[in-house]
Amino acid sequence: DAKTTQPTSMDCAEGRAANLPCNHSTISGNEYVYWYRQIHSQGPQYIIHGLKNNETNEMASLIITEDRKSSTLILPHATLRDTAVYYCIVRVAGGVDYKLSFGAGTTVTVRA
Amino acid sequence: NAGVTQTPKFQVLKTGQSMTLQCAQDMNHEYMSWYRQDPGMGLRLIHYSVGAGITDQGEVPNGYNVSRSTTEDFPLRLLSAAPSQTSVYFCASSSQIGRTDTQYFGPGTRLTVL
Repeated sequence: DAKTTQPTSMDCAEGRAANLPCNHSTISGNEYVYWYRQIHSQGPQYIIHGLKNNETNEMASLIITEDRKSSTLILPHATLRDTAVYYCIVRVAGGVDYKLSFGAGTTVTVRA
Repeated sequence: NAGVTQTPKFQVLKTGQSMTLQCAQDMNHEYMSWYRQDPGMGLRLIHYSVGAGITDQGEVPNGYNVSRSTTEDFPLRLLSAAPSQTSVYFCASSSQIGRTDTQYFGPGTRLTVL
């Protein structure tokens, strides 16, 4: 699976959009970009994933650059409950290796 | 749906004791896996299963056994607990249907080995 690079931490004001960048310059053509988050002491939670088109669901939007070497997760209206560690993971969907390689992630702190 | 459930939530063991961490899912997912997370660290895969009767080792399998007799259940057994196994254990499940491969995690079991 391709390696990803994320900032260590970032702050966001409550009610504002949070934009979380992720670099994955060695991504392969069949690898998807997944985002998970882990709120303190809880199990990781799936947020969104995409291959090359931008994606949106009830939680967030995912913007993938045309060359697919980077992406941005957007939380449109951050709340205090969005404070968590956010993980960008690149992997083949349905691959035989079911491991999710969680790196250090980005610690997002939403402030009132 | 309850999703992925894990029991117990907390457990304290003495060195050398054995125990089983329970994991169950009600989503009819083929794939289940066990991870451990040490303080301030990412998750590491212990064992995984691609279906009933089929299991395989992950990154850190030593000291742990698994079995998968049903689709729903995937218990993790600690054979002889050691302080190095103090960690938070997460169970996850996923399905290949639709090839989304989204993994759903349980709430975790916090294990302390004295």
